[in-house]
Amino acid sequence: DIQMTQSPSSLSASVGDRVTIACRASQTVSSYLHWYQQKPGKAPKLLIYAASSLQGGVPSRFSGSGSGTDFTLTISSLQPEDFATYYCQQTYSIPRTFGGGTKVEIK
Amino acid sequence: QVQLQESGPGLVKPSQTLSLTCTVSGGSISSGDYHWTWIRQPPGKGLEWIGNIYHSGSTYYRSSLKSRVTISLDTSKNQFSLKLSSVTAADTAVYFCVRGSLQWPVLGAFDIWGQGTLVTVSS
Repeated sequence: DIQMTQSPSSLSASVGDRVTIACRASQTVSSYLHWYQQKPGKAPKLLIYAASSLQGGVPSRFSGSGSGTDFTLTISSLQPEDFATYYCQQTYSIPRTFGGGTKVEIK
Repeated sequence: QVQLQESGPGLVKPSQTLSLTCTVSGGSISSGDYHWTWIRQPPGKGLEWIGNIYHSGSTYYRSSLKSRVTISLDTSKNQFSLKLSSVTAADTAVYFCVRGSLQWPVLGAFDIWGQGTLVTVSS
């Protein structure tokens, strides 16, 4: 199984801050890497697919980069509605695996 | 607009079988552009992929659950289902039904999720 490791597991930030979340795969996943946002009591929402493509309707302050084993999700200017938990996921191989999540909290 | 909705018992006794159904509206479950997936999330924990099914009926399961899980399609009702047998407290989780896109260049990302349903395993 491909292990997905996210860092940090949590962070505190202020509105307007630039936030970066890292995701590392235990072996290459090429560009088969996606990012999701989950708010409490809600289903995850797809933000970024194929490492760097913005899902329709997602604000442009979200961006993704990377390929192979190392990936990054960046929020350029954190907004109040962005406080949530973020997960990376690979669909390169079975089983599909998720990172452990990064909880973004208000400072 | 495609929507997914889970249904099924919220409480299951230990050793019994958990059965959930996902009803797909606004699109056909027979489309070859998508696959249909179950994911679960134990309370306070992360996301765990259970398995998926393609329009052809081909299935893939998490190896640790493979002996207990069955995912099936009912194209006449535009639904897909999950059965998990011999449940224990460790199977207590919110269960999500999810659509995965096979279209290029989405690369299998899970683009539409049901709202999730909490299933508690307890006597």
